[in-house]
Amino acid sequence: QKEVEQDPGPLSVPEGAIVSLNCTYSNSAFQYFMWYRQYSRKGPELLMYTYSSGNKEDGRFTAQVDKSSKYISLFIRDSQPSDSATYLCAMSQNYGGSQGNLIFGKGTKLSVKP
Amino acid sequence: GAVVSQHPSRVICKSGTSVKIECRSLDFQATTMFWYRQFPKQSLMLMATSNEGSKATYEQGVEKDKFLINHASLTLSTLTVTSAHPEDSSFYICSARKTGRNEQYFGPGTRLTVT
Repeated sequence: QKEVEQDPGPLSVPEGAIVSLNCTYSNSAFQYFMWYRQYSRKGPELLMYTYSSGNKEDGRFTAQVDKSSKYISLFIRDSQPSDSATYLCAMSQNYGGSQGNLIFGKGTKLSVKP
Repeated sequence: GAVVSQHPSRVICKSGTSVKIECRSLDFQATTMFWYRQFPKQSLMLMATSNEGSKATYEQGVEKDKFLINHASLTLSTLTVTSAHPEDSSFYICSARKTGRNEQYFGPGTRLTVT
């Protein structure tokens, strides 16, 4: 079983839809959870950063962490064609050292159709 | 801000030559930088972790003599692909971690093509 599982998609939605992206993980020691967005041929961009369980909202984006289920989600409201990208989840155990290194999901490719 | 630059953005070289890629954190200090490789439609693959002033830590299967990493300052790490071959053609991305933090900020990537 891989440490982080993420459905690669592709996921295609109409403009304005609510998008739900998810990752599951196996290591209960993960405490820090991130979502990155990567446009084609570009480096990933940090979107959301959360610690432990709970929700975090930033504009149209909401990140949810359920540590009891080892499940994290990213919701995008009122999706736009400009949201079309690959979304990667990432997580780590701690700060610093090897435990601070991020473990990435494989990424979900999202396409928002106008 | 947290801006990371990479140079060059694109490079084409002949088989057997060496290529150096620079990664700079422009507005913060980064004790640790990371080098990733990404093949088309694949996820990021960590190659090595670079700590300022010390030797890099390479992931299993990555040849340290082929991919030379130097992290001489808190804002600069370099990756040199030595004696490049066509199979080294890939998208190389660096990231930097702010001192005392764990989120990583990525550079825009370098596309290497070896002919």
